[in-house]
Amino acid sequence: GESVGLHLPTLSVQEGDNSIINCAYSNSASDYFIWYKQESGKGPQFIIDIRSNMDKRQGQRVTVLLNKTVKHLSLQIAATQPGDSAVYFCAENPRGKLIFGQGTELSVKP
Amino acid sequence: DTGVSQDPRHKITKRGQNVTFRCDPISEHNRLYWYRQTLGQGPEFLTYFQNEAQLEKSRLLSDRFSAERPKGSFSTLEIQRTEQGDSAMYLCASSLGELSSPLHFGNGTRLTVT
Repeated sequence: GESVGLHLPTLSVQEGDNSIINCAYSNSASDYFIWYKQESGKGPQFIIDIRSNMDKRQGQRVTVLLNKTVKHLSLQIAATQPGDSAVYFCAENPRGKLIFGQGTELSVKP
Repeated sequence: DTGVSQDPRHKITKRGQNVTFRCDPISEHNRLYWYRQTLGQGPEFLTYFQNEAQLEKSRLLSDRFSAERPKGSFSTLEIQRTEQGDSAMYLCASSLGELSSPLHFGNGTRLTVT
């Protein structure tokens, strides 16, 4: 079936470096995408979203890029901090509910 | 705290017992969702409500599972005759229900079936 997936299950970066987390989606009907951060023992926390009529959106230290041609989504985190260590999920919303990928675990080395 | 609230945070039960979880959404949100998450996986959609109406149920939601939202505010998820495979984190989320409205999640109820 259709699903959202992530290219890498783990990502390790040095504190202060930029992080890039990638996501591929397959449902061409999806018109809204969200990135979530999940820390151990907590629910997913909203980071940033983007509609399909945009290709880039920036937040505080985070940028989401959407490439509809190749159905690819990425999350860029600038100046990664130890507090950014978590599992990151992308999710798509084709029909009123969110479909999540497997997640990428981001580990920040001090 | 005006976020999504779930109770209990943890539940340990013996196989065959019934369990019920409660979710209190953000007050102005008219959509409420239930998801299930197992270790190392992304949340899987179970069901969602628009006000008190249950609009969609996943095939994951067997006949042992039932969810209600009787007054369009809080919701309950009941699992009857629990099985070890039901062990998971059960997440509740709410949203405004608009087309591009993010879901806001609670911290979940972790169920362990022994």
